[in-house]
Amino acid sequence: NAGVTQTPKFQVLKTGQSMTLQCAQDMNHEYMSWYRQDPGMGLRLIHYSVGAGITDQGEVPNGYNVSRSTTEDFPLRLLSAAPSQTSVYFCASSYSIKGNTEAFFGQGTRLTVV
Amino acid sequence: AQSVTQLGSHVSVSEGALVLLRCNYSSSVPPYLFWYVQYPNQGLQLLLKYTSAATLVKGINGFEAEFKKSETSFHLTKPSAHMSDAAEYFCAVSDMVSGGGADGLTFGKGTHLIIQP
Repeated sequence: NAGVTQTPKFQVLKTGQSMTLQCAQDMNHEYMSWYRQDPGMGLRLIHYSVGAGITDQGEVPNGYNVSRSTTEDFPLRLLSAAPSQTSVYFCASSYSIKGNTEAFFGQGTRLTVV
Repeated sequence: AQSVTQLGSHVSVSEGALVLLRCNYSSSVPPYLFWYVQYPNQGLQLLLKYTSAATLVKGINGFEAEFKKSETSFHLTKPSAHMSDAAEYFCAVSDMVSGGGADGLTFGKGTHLIIQP
């Protein structure tokens, strides 16, 4: 029962580099999201997807790109890394948009941009 | 628009003492409310949720929360703290339109619970 799997767990990037954070879930959930967690800020939504081929922006989408070609995978791309993107990134999934639905989270990717 | 305010970024209690973590919300429609817990170097996991069935909600690990509409509050309590309760706790709200799934949650800034031996 893997749930939501994120890779890598840690990453250091140089300013201007690009990379992709991977997220996969094995629960056949339609809904997936990416959050960033910063000290004293809680979790802020970057992008989300309501199904394969459908994505939308969240609260802080600038500098990030997503795609959803399959139900299982929802990668997050950093186009040109900046120090302000140093953060812990969480991927989440849920089976329904209904209000009482639990979101399942991955263990996070700790990203440092130098 | 919906929002969540958690009072106190850090709360310290002695082992065996009452735990009280405060959460106030604002929502233009009846909300769904959640508490998530994050242990060190882990993702978030659901502690409990309010979905309008009962105002007093019991969750895992002995935690419970009471929904008070008049006070727009959803405070988290546990009668007796244990060392293993040390973690970050997040209150979250979702309205009944957008839902509580991964795309519909608004989180508070979190409260770090410290347990003193």
